[in-house]
Amino acid sequence: AQSVAQPEDQVNVAEGNPLTVKCTYSVSGNPYLFWYVQYPNRGLQFLLKYITGDNLVKGSYGFEAEFNKSQTSFHLKKPSALVSDSALYFCAVRDRGYSTLTFGKGTMLLVSP
Amino acid sequence: NAGVTQTPKFQVLKTGQSMTLQCAQDMNHEYMSWYRQDPGMGLRLIHYSVGAGITDQGEVPNGYNVSRSTTEDFPLRLLSAAPSQTSVYFCASSYSGLGLDTQYFGPGTRLTVL
Repeated sequence: AQSVAQPEDQVNVAEGNPLTVKCTYSVSGNPYLFWYVQYPNRGLQFLLKYITGDNLVKGSYGFEAEFNKSQTSFHLKKPSALVSDSALYFCAVRDRGYSTLTFGKGTMLLVSP
Repeated sequence: NAGVTQTPKFQVLKTGQSMTLQCAQDMNHEYMSWYRQDPGMGLRLIHYSVGAGITDQGEVPNGYNVSRSTTEDFPLRLLSAAPSQTSVYFCASSYSGLGLDTQYFGPGTRLTVL
């Protein structure tokens, strides 16, 4: 089975500060990992993905994520948060033996001015 | 290029009514899927299709029906609506079904069942 956990329902950060949104996963084999963002009343938008190769993945809007196999984590990071980054963030995983993605419950990121 | 479109945007049904949520994509994607989004539960896969004529069940398929007669369209049918089906429904498509590909999501349909 494959599963993903986002341990924080909400993350609060001040504008200009670094942000981290946590994600841990469980798969039986090697994972494919994704981050998506959802702005209010919109569908999800792709941010970045890890398939293979470099453990540090860079994505849209200055976001990056680090794949850590020993800790089974794929935390989303940004060096300097913007108020416009406030949104709902979803981590998703796919075990290479599966054909579908499993999404986490989402983490609301609130960036204050 | 409209991407993934969904209709209607909002719908209110009474218990027992049936309806079809429409989804269309113009990117020639083989892989399409339907998710429901509920507070605190993230997105859960209802049904998916890896190509025209091929569909399969996801995590929460009960009470829903799908078909894929063309590459472009992937309608979701509620057979007999129940209050538990109150949710926001998202359709998504991707070039391949291997999980390697970015999924493109529609704007969603907000469904309320009374």
